[in-house]
Amino acid sequence: KQEVTQIPAALSVPEGENLVLNCSFTDSAIYNLQWFRQDPGKGLTSLLLIQSSQREQTSGRLNASLDKSSGRSTLYIAASQPGDSATYLCASNSGYALNFGKGTSLLVTP
Amino acid sequence: EAQVTQNPRYLITVTGKKLTVTCSQNMNHEYMSWYRQDPGLGLRQIYYSMNVEVTDKGDVPEGYKVSRKEKRNFPLILESPSPNQTSLYFCASSSGGLGYTFGSGTRLTVV
Repeated sequence: KQEVTQIPAALSVPEGENLVLNCSFTDSAIYNLQWFRQDPGKGLTSLLLIQSSQREQTSGRLNASLDKSSGRSTLYIAASQPGDSATYLCASNSGYALNFGKGTSLLVTP
Repeated sequence: EAQVTQNPRYLITVTGKKLTVTCSQNMNHEYMSWYRQDPGLGLRQIYYSMNVEVTDKGDVPEGYKVSRKEKRNFPLILESPSPNQTSLYFCASSSGGLGYTFGSGTRLTVV
């Protein structure tokens, strides 16, 4: 069964810093990988989707990369802001299900 | 607006009283699924449906039922809820490789 791990579990940074969130998965046979944002008690907002044939995707200050051979994905957030504070989840799509990591809880302090 | 709509958003019920959480999507997606989210355990799949009348178990199907009579709707049924089904539930839909769209969630408390 696909295992997805996210490191670190929690992260606190001052506003303006660039940061990297890590995601690793055990089975490289994935269709795509998706990054989500979740605010406390709220739903999941899709941030970026990377297809298995792609190496990276960008949206505004966010950049996600995918290395299938090593089973790794990273989410890069540039010039972090307090509004970026949330839990970030990565999920691999193996066909019939999304397999989620447990998330990285990010706090950006003013 | 393209969306997945779940109802209700919050529900408190008693053990054994049957309930249904509705899920509807307006994107003509073939694939729909249900997840539950619990502290320390993350998001786990309950059931999924590849198309109308086609459903299958996910990782934690015990105590739940689903049906897919129409493409847009995928209700989650708890026929005899128990306290261990207290959780945050999410419905999601997808069209092949275009990624998943999630509903806003249903917070269920079983007392």
